[in-house]
Amino acid sequence: AQSVTQPDIHITVSEGASLELRCNYSYGATPYLFWYVQSPGQGLQLLLKYFSGDTLVQGIKGFEAEFKRSQSSFNLRKPSVHWSDAAEYFCAVGAVSGGYNKLIFGAGTRLAVHP
Amino acid sequence: SQTIHQWPATLVQPVGSPLSLECTVEGTSNPNLYWYRQAAGRGLQLLFYSIGIDQISSEVPQNLSASRPQDRQFILSSKKLLLSDSGFYLCAWSDRLTYGYTFGSGTRLTVV
Repeated sequence: AQSVTQPDIHITVSEGASLELRCNYSYGATPYLFWYVQSPGQGLQLLLKYFSGDTLVQGIKGFEAEFKRSQSSFNLRKPSVHWSDAAEYFCAVGAVSGGYNKLIFGAGTRLAVHP
Repeated sequence: SQTIHQWPATLVQPVGSPLSLECTVEGTSNPNLYWYRQAAGRGLQLLFYSIGIDQISSEVPQNLSASRPQDRQFILSSKKLLLSDSGFYLCAWSDRLTYGYTFGSGTRLTVV
């Protein structure tokens, strides 16, 4: 069965510091992988996605993620965090079946940014 | 461009009352539609998905039901709310080309 693990529930970084949010997935075939961000009380916004090809994926807001098949990981990175990046981040794995894509989400990582 | 609308934004309902949350998508046809619930401090749980009108699949047994009376309309309902139905409900759509989800802004439901 597909699953996603985000080992870090909370992370706190200083503004300007680098960031890496971890994501491990379990899926039998080549996965579709996503990172979403959620501001308090809001819906989820897509940051980036991986379907195939280059394993380093660039997203919006200066984020990037690297797909490592050997480690079953899809970690999210940002070289310099801004205070506005404080939010909850969700990793998701998707499987296409019968014409639809069912996304399985991790439990999320809440990011706090200190000035 | 495609947009997704979800309402109401917040809702406080007494236990035992009915529920109807509505989600509509514009700018696309035949979308896949989804209802997720996000309990406080927890991840997102898929409740229902739909690949077409009147085609609804349920992921977990629960007190809720979903309907899709029109191609771009998805409704989440309950006849009698329970305290455990409280949470943040998110509607999403995806297409068969990109498969990424676009989420609505969510409904905060508090059952009292």
